Amino acid sequence: GAGVSQSPSNKVTEKGKDVELRCDPISGHTALYWYRQSLGQGLEFLIYFQGNSAPDKSGLPSDRFSAERTGGSVSTLTIQRTQQEDSAVYLCASSLNAVNTEAFFGQGTRLTVV
Amino acid sequence: QQQVKQSPQSLIVQKGGISIINCAYENTAFDYFPWYQQFPGKGPALLIAIRPDVSEKKEGRFTISFNKSAKQFSLHIMDSQPGDSATYFCAASTGNQFYFGTGTSLTVIP
Repeated sequence: GAGVSQSPSNKVTEKGKDVELRCDPISGHTALYWYRQSLGQGLEFLIYFQGNSAPDKSGLPSDRFSAERTGGSVSTLTIQRTQQEDSAVYLCASSLNAVNTEAFFGQGTRLTVV
Repeated sequence: QQQVKQSPQSLIVQKGGISIINCAYENTAFDYFPWYQQFPGKGPALLIAIRPDVSEKKEGRFTISFNKSAKQFSLHIMDSQPGDSATYFCAASTGNQFYFGTGTSLTVIP
């Protein structure tokens, strides 16, 4: 596709359930980022993948959060045992490489935990 | 700890006026400073970016002013239009990850 694609666009889940959010980056982009945006808040860094290097997981808020990137392309963010405070928009971005190039964002997945 | 501090949180400007959003940082390793524009329901999109070897960059009605010694940079929107109403985020990068400000909600009144 032409841009970063995220699915689903909206997800409503019950507290305690696990959810998986998917990101398809732009083809050829080696860097992939996950951010969380709570209502009226800025972008909170979650995790960063660059090529085959070990991911930077320093932003993950708890061990309920994990992410993987298969084959250097598609990424999945998993939230286990969801809590109401996990409700937010989860944004994925990709860039051509790690060195100060434009990050292109997807439209995000709006997660609501009820 | 907020790596990039952004102000104001919200801004209301008359059509045709100048919108100014300010950001400050501490980490002198930052070497790329983009501004992103976000409309409701959309992901942020790059508006304009600057590197610290220049003090100003202009693209159309949008200008970034960069003060390396003060570790501050700002976005100026000239001749602001209602279509500019959006949330604006400044960011800074070391080439490893992007650190974003908390955002400024801009409303341009017709």
